[in-house]
Amino acid sequence: GESVGLHLPTLSVQEGDNSIINCAYSNSASDYFIWYKQESGKGPQFIIDIRSNMDKRQGQRVTVLLNKTVKHLSLQIAATQPGDSAVYFCAENIKGDYKLSFGAGTTVTVRA
Amino acid sequence: SAVISQKPSRDICQRGTSLTIQCQVDSQVTMMFWYRQQPGQSLTLIATANQGSEATYESGFVIDKFPISRPNLTFSTLTVSNMSPEDSSIYLCSVYQGAKGSYNEQFFGPGTRLTVL
Repeated sequence: GESVGLHLPTLSVQEGDNSIINCAYSNSASDYFIWYKQESGKGPQFIIDIRSNMDKRQGQRVTVLLNKTVKHLSLQIAATQPGDSAVYFCAENIKGDYKLSFGAGTTVTVRA
Repeated sequence: SAVISQKPSRDICQRGTSLTIQCQVDSQVTMMFWYRQQPGQSLTLIATANQGSEATYESGFVIDKFPISRPNLTFSTLTVSNMSPEDSSIYLCSVYQGAKGSYNEQFFGPGTRLTVL
């Protein structure tokens, strides 16, 4: 499953499929980006980050892609599991600045 | 990463009253922040809690409404004053442990769910 365009508020994906969550960031000066996962009733959990000198970074089952030309960020989740159901937020930052700016969030629902 | 706890985890309050939320970290951190997450919305930074000095507030947030303390490097409080139903939100504490001026990798506490009647 994939959220198209900038990002959709919700994404429904079949268990075992790959998920792609998209995010458009606003500040061309931003040089650091974080993806957070927020499960119901919990605080945001750090998933993966990427600096602007990279265009791809991989973690466990997750990959973040950064396209600075079009100010676009994506999070790919491989073999999506029921435990991946959550709201996913991207956040942007400028190195040395304390402020994180968050995107609107995408709700991912995994179908069994 | 640091282990962050918040108290209370949730509360239901009457309008006009105030609630103080505590954030405790298990290790010293460089910076502490307070965010608000309104129902179904994203996160908005309220202020940066400065150790030993007044907090730095973001546009739209004022000290009279959201007084903040940070007496040491592991603890901070946020008070929501003279509450109204519009203050019903999740309030989140976050911390940054790295060097000042570096990449701002922040970690969040579990949040405090506030409902104002």
